Amino acid sequence: QSALTQPASVSGSPGQSIIISCTGTSSDVGGHNFVSWYRQHAGKAPTLLIFDVSHRPARLSSRFSGSKSGNTASLTISGLQAEDEADYYCASYTGNSHVLFGGGTKLTVL
Amino acid sequence: EVQLVQSGADVKKPGESLKISCMSSEYSFTSYWISWVRQMPGRGLEWVGTIDPSDSSTNYSPSFEGHVIMSADKSRNTAYLQWSSLKVSDSAIYYCARHGQRLPDYWGQGTLVTVSS
Repeated sequence: QSALTQPASVSGSPGQSIIISCTGTSSDVGGHNFVSWYRQHAGKAPTLLIFDVSHRPARLSSRFSGSKSGNTASLTISGLQAEDEADYYCASYTGNSHVLFGGGTKLTVL
Repeated sequence: EVQLVQSGADVKKPGESLKISCMSSEYSFTSYWISWVRQMPGRGLEWVGTIDPSDSSTNYSPSFEGHVIMSADKSRNTAYLQWSSLKVSDSAIYYCARHGQRLPDYWGQGTLVTVSS
């Protein structure tokens, strides 16, 4: 099964908003409301940003939000900060206890 | 707070065996699935498979089935990933991650596996 499709890179200036897309199929993103987003700073383990398409873990900044339309999920980061510079990954449940990750998106804060 | 603590980095030769571990604390180990995730140098995240620690039932990615084995020891709150015959291409960081509902929420710090002759 191929990875979910994410843009290789996105960029934005401090204070701006950016959107990262994650496109799959009706067997994964479109077929389940189990999509998560993770942030991975260089040399660190991934951390959870969004689960179940649009839910934020407790204590996570409201600058991060998630949504889904059809086979495409999206992560929006508002009020960009320098600390947001990292790699971002989406993941989707695909049924039968299987998981599929996106290829990852490198966010550069200009 | 939920913690997943993984075993340290290891260096092996091709053909050797290896077993890495992931010890969980501050939650009920048998109540949450654990996934293993591979990250090759400079590359993205790849799902290896998931184990249910309550009964050690497993689901593997087709890309990894037959090459790795996942297991769990309830008495030690520890999950394992093992290889019987390593390849150079197995060199990567391997993360364990606890599942929330269907997807990972908390992640271990990662174990670097280097396979080189």
